[in-house]
Amino acid sequence: EAGVVQSPRYKIIEKKQPVAFWCNPISGHNTLYWYRQNLGQGPELLIRYENEEAVDDSQLPKDRFSAERLKGVDSTLKIQPAELGDSAVYLCASSLWQDNSGANVLTFGAGSRLTVL
Amino acid sequence: GIQVEQSPPDLILQEGANSTLRCNFSDSVNNLQWFHQNPWGQLINLFYIPSGTKQNGRLSATTVATERYSLLYISSSQTTDSGVYFCAVEINTDKLIFGTGTRLQVFP
Repeated sequence: EAGVVQSPRYKIIEKKQPVAFWCNPISGHNTLYWYRQNLGQGPELLIRYENEEAVDDSQLPKDRFSAERLKGVDSTLKIQPAELGDSAVYLCASSLWQDNSGANVLTFGAGSRLTVL
Repeated sequence: GIQVEQSPPDLILQEGANSTLRCNFSDSVNNLQWFHQNPWGQLINLFYIPSGTKQNGRLSATTVATERYSLLYISSSQTTDSGVYFCAVEINTDKLIFGTGTRLQVFP
């Protein structure tokens, strides 16, 4: 079974340029998450989707960040324009409720490392 | 909001040693997971453990929900155990909140 697939793995851009990250979750996982991880810190949630609906985007900086999951499968996270402080690893995760135990176990992708110069 | 603190922040071990990592959280949670982030940045889920004790090979975890802490035990550590260990808790809104992490280095 393929895991959560993200691309690109690495991206270097100059400030004020746009950038986009793509995520393909595990097949059948209806919940998709975008997290941002700054150097030396734990990941922080940016947005959570249930199928194609964004159910929690309270931490997404909406002036420059946008995300979509049009068909409820893969998702794109965009930053326009990028700022120096956006340098981080952008992690995608997906999950499927485990009916027997009620668990919500997240599986993460390898991440997309963004460097803004 | 809920606070998730991990200790120690850094840990250096020689191969074969045992260790205990701690996670304290400030409020009631309905989910707790332990993750290992390897040196290449990949986050691997180790345990889903909102309460009780689980074991998987050389790793085991215990969560005492009433006292708001969880412990991760690593026995007979190996160099491949190196990386950062995160505790993450979930509140009712399905938002996983990550702790500060424990950076583990295991030397041969």
